[in-house]
Amino acid sequence: AQSVTQLGSHVSVSEGALVLLRCNYSSSVPPYLFWYVQYPNQGLQLLLKYTSAATLVKGINGFEAEFKKSETSFHLTKPSAHMSDAAEYFCAVSDRYPSNTGKLIFGQGTTLQVKP
Amino acid sequence: NAGVTQTPKFQVLKTGQSMTLQCAQDMNHEYMSWYRQDPGMGLRLIHYSVGAGITDQGEVPNGYNVSRSTTEDFPLRLLSAAPSQTSVYFCASSYDRATYEQYFGPGTRLTVT
Repeated sequence: AQSVTQLGSHVSVSEGALVLLRCNYSSSVPPYLFWYVQYPNQGLQLLLKYTSAATLVKGINGFEAEFKKSETSFHLTKPSAHMSDAAEYFCAVSDRYPSNTGKLIFGQGTTLQVKP
Repeated sequence: NAGVTQTPKFQVLKTGQSMTLQCAQDMNHEYMSWYRQDPGMGLRLIHYSVGAGITDQGEVPNGYNVSRSTTEDFPLRLLSAAPSQTSVYFCASSYDRATYEQYFGPGTRLTVT
């Protein structure tokens, strides 16, 4: 069965520093992978997605992620953190095979704190 | 488009009461789902539907019922509320089950006392 592990429940960076949020997945076949962001008291918003095309995926707000099959990873990065990036981030993997149910399996989430 | 809408935003229930959380989408999406979000546990799937008239259980279905009589609506019913159901509930939809990209509603914060 597919699963997702997000390393680090809290990450703190200074404004202007590199943001790196880690996500590792488990899947017997190439999955679809997603990063969502949740601002306080709001729903989840899609940041970016990998669906078997280019391995380096660019998303909104300057975020990008690289699919690395050999490492089963899909880490999220942003070169320079902004105060407005403070939020909770979720990595998710699709449940494509064998059942193709449409389900997403979510990681536990990583809270990003940005210090001035 | 309003996207995915949920009502109410907040609700307080007493143990044993029942209620229905409403979810609607205006994007003609076939696939809809309900999640609950608890601290440190990410989002867990309660029930999902791949189309009108078709529903199935997710990871944590106990204590919840769903139905899907129209494409637009996917209500979640709590049969007899328990304190363990205190959570934030999110409804989501996607074009179909092969798409996987899901659009989320704003959530309902439920407290059971």
